[in-house]
Amino acid sequence: DGGITQSPKYLFRKEGQNVTLSCEQNLNHDAMYWYRQDPGQGLRLIYYSQIVNDFQKGDIAEGYSVSREKKESFPLTVTSAQKNPTAFYLCASRLHERRPEAFFGQGTRLTVV
Amino acid sequence: DAKTTQPPSMDCAEGRAANLPCNHSTISGNEYVYWYRQIHSQGPQYIIHGLKNNETNEMASLIITEDRKSSTLILPHATLRDTAVYYCFPSGNTPLVFGKGTRLSVIA
Repeated sequence: DGGITQSPKYLFRKEGQNVTLSCEQNLNHDAMYWYRQDPGQGLRLIYYSQIVNDFQKGDIAEGYSVSREKKESFPLTVTSAQKNPTAFYLCASRLHERRPEAFFGQGTRLTVV
Repeated sequence: DAKTTQPPSMDCAEGRAANLPCNHSTISGNEYVYWYRQIHSQGPQYIIHGLKNNETNEMASLIITEDRKSSTLILPHATLRDTAVYYCFPSGNTPLVFGKGTRLSVIA
C-alpha cells in the first residue's frame, strides 16, 4: 500500500525542547517537502529536498532543520529557536519537481506548552 | 501569495456547478496553472493542472483564458463532500507555493 506517512498525528512538547517529526514515503519519489499551516492560513514552505543528500530552505526555515539521508525519509526537527512552533505540519512528496501531482501526509499537529 | 488572487470564500448549492475564479496575471510562459483542494484538517489533494488549453478530468474542468492571466475551476455538480479550501497557483520546476485559497461551502 503506497503512500506518505507522517507520525505522530498529535504531538505535545514543552517549550525549549527540540522535537522531530517523521515523514516516510514508499512512492519512490525524489522530491519531498515540509509545510507549516496556522489556523485559517495557507501552507508555508519550510524546507524541500529534490534529491537524496540535498535540501534547500523554503520561506520560513528559521528554527527548523531537516535531513535527507534516505530517499524515503525526510524528518523535520523543530528546534527551540523556533519562536512559535505550535502549528499543523504537512509533509509532501512528488516524483520530481516537474510533476504536478504532489501527495500529502495526514499531518502532525504540534502543540508546545 | 502575491502571484495569485482568489476570493476568500464562496457558497454553492448542492448539485449546482461551482465556478472558482483565480487571477494569476504574472504567470510565466513556462508555468502551469495548478489547482489543489484541502478538506478540513487533511493534506491538500491535487485536482487538475493546465498550461494553455482547457482541461477536464474526473474531478473537475479547468478553463484558462487566452492570455493565461486567469483561470476558472469548475466542479460540474457540487456535493457536500466538495466543501474545502481550493488553492490555485502557477508553478514551473519549483516547489509548490500555496496561497490562502478560496473556502468553498456547498450547501444542501
